Amino acid sequence: EAGVAQSPRYKIIEKRQSVAFWCNPISGHATLYWYQQILGQGPKLLIQFQNNGVVDDSQLPKDRFSAERLKGVDSTLKIQPAKLEDSAVYLCASSLSAGDTYEQYFGPGTRLTVT
Amino acid sequence: GEDVEQSLFLSVREGDSSVINCTYTDSSSTYLYWYKQEPGAGLQLLTYIFSNMDMKQDQRLTVLLNKKDKHLSLRIADTQTGDSAIYFCAETPTGFQKLVFGTGTRLLVSP
Repeated sequence: EAGVAQSPRYKIIEKRQSVAFWCNPISGHATLYWYQQILGQGPKLLIQFQNNGVVDDSQLPKDRFSAERLKGVDSTLKIQPAKLEDSAVYLCASSLSAGDTYEQYFGPGTRLTVT
Repeated sequence: GEDVEQSLFLSVREGDSSVINCTYTDSSSTYLYWYKQEPGAGLQLLTYIFSNMDMKQDQRLTVLLNKKDKHLSLRIADTQTGDSAIYFCAETPTGFQKLVFGTGTRLLVSP
């Protein structure tokens, strides 16, 4: 079974530029999560989707971050414009259903550096 | 608040036991978890414990849960150099489906 795929693996941009990350969850997984992991910290949930609807986006900085999950499969996370403090690893995870929190499978992450 | 606390660093010799500790915040959390993160890799679920359990053992891993003190620990028996990684504890706060992670404990195993 293929795992959670993310691209790109690394991205370097200048502040005020925009960037987009892509995630392909495990086939059949209805729930998709985006986490932000700043160096030296644990991951923090940005947004959770159930199929193509948003379940929790309370910690998403909506003035600059946006995310979508069209057709309930792949998802993109966008930052526009980026700030220096957005430098982090962005992790995507998926689970079979929202109740299976303990069965979240994580992708390798996208490491973003904002200069 | 949602602060899950862990000590930052642990160093052990190969063959020793490692004990990583965690203090969580929500006494009603249904599940508590331990994840492992190796350099450049995503998070790997090691084990989890249901809140009505005191202990769970899985091969070299033993999880102890003290609900009264909101304390969770992970013991790794016969620690190997391949166990060197960052270990995160996490909880699912009541009413939420998200994971709230601790700051991580970097385990260094020396030969």
